[in-house]
Amino acid sequence: AQTVTQSQPEMSVQEAETVTLSCTYDTSENNYYLFWYKQPPSRQMILVIRQEAYKQQNATENRFSVNFQKAAKSFSLKISDSQLGDTAMYFCAFMKHGMRGSQGNLIFGKGTKLSVKP
Amino acid sequence: DTGVSQDPRHKITKRGQNVTFRCDPISEHNRLYWYRQTLGQGPEFLTYFQNEAQLEKSRLLSDRFSAERPKGSFSTLEIQRTEQGDSAMYLCASSSRPEGLNYEQYFGPGTRLTVT
Repeated sequence: AQTVTQSQPEMSVQEAETVTLSCTYDTSENNYYLFWYKQPPSRQMILVIRQEAYKQQNATENRFSVNFQKAAKSFSLKISDSQLGDTAMYFCAFMKHGMRGSQGNLIFGKGTKLSVKP
Repeated sequence: DTGVSQDPRHKITKRGQNVTFRCDPISEHNRLYWYRQTLGQGPEFLTYFQNEAQLEKSRLLSDRFSAERPKGSFSTLEIQRTEQGDSAMYLCASSSRPEGLNYEQYFGPGTRLTVT
């Protein structure tokens, strides 16, 4: 069974600074996807960034980038130039690579509550 | 707005009552997922559909829970004889799935259930 661990329940960062959120996972699968989702207070969950395990290059999306270390089973999220709107719960999630008919449910960590301070 | 919608957004019920939630996925998405999220935790998978077929159910989905997606469009999640432990946010997500690939899931706003 796959597990996802986020060891930082809460973090804070000053506006315009950089912060890194940690995530480790455990799996025997070789092909899979990793995600970071953002859940703002009282708002719905949205995808921040996605990484395919077969890609060695780390994914980037504007101010968001990941450090994917497959051998170490580590998948951290770096937020540069933090903005007040980045305040949210951040969830790391794992999904097995789909073959025909296989499931594609996400396995989430417990989340990290990020507060961006002015 | 063509995102995932859920109804109702909030539901308060007394223990022992039945409740039903509805999810309308993004129209071209053939996969639909239900998750449950309790306070301070990440979402936990309950079940998912590909078109109208329910393909997987978690062990979390006791026999008091039933989900349907009768025409491969909207889905309903029913909880019978609710218990206080059922209090949670119930999230719906949808995705499209070209053959051989998994695509990202788009989440709805959730239905917050409180059992008193």
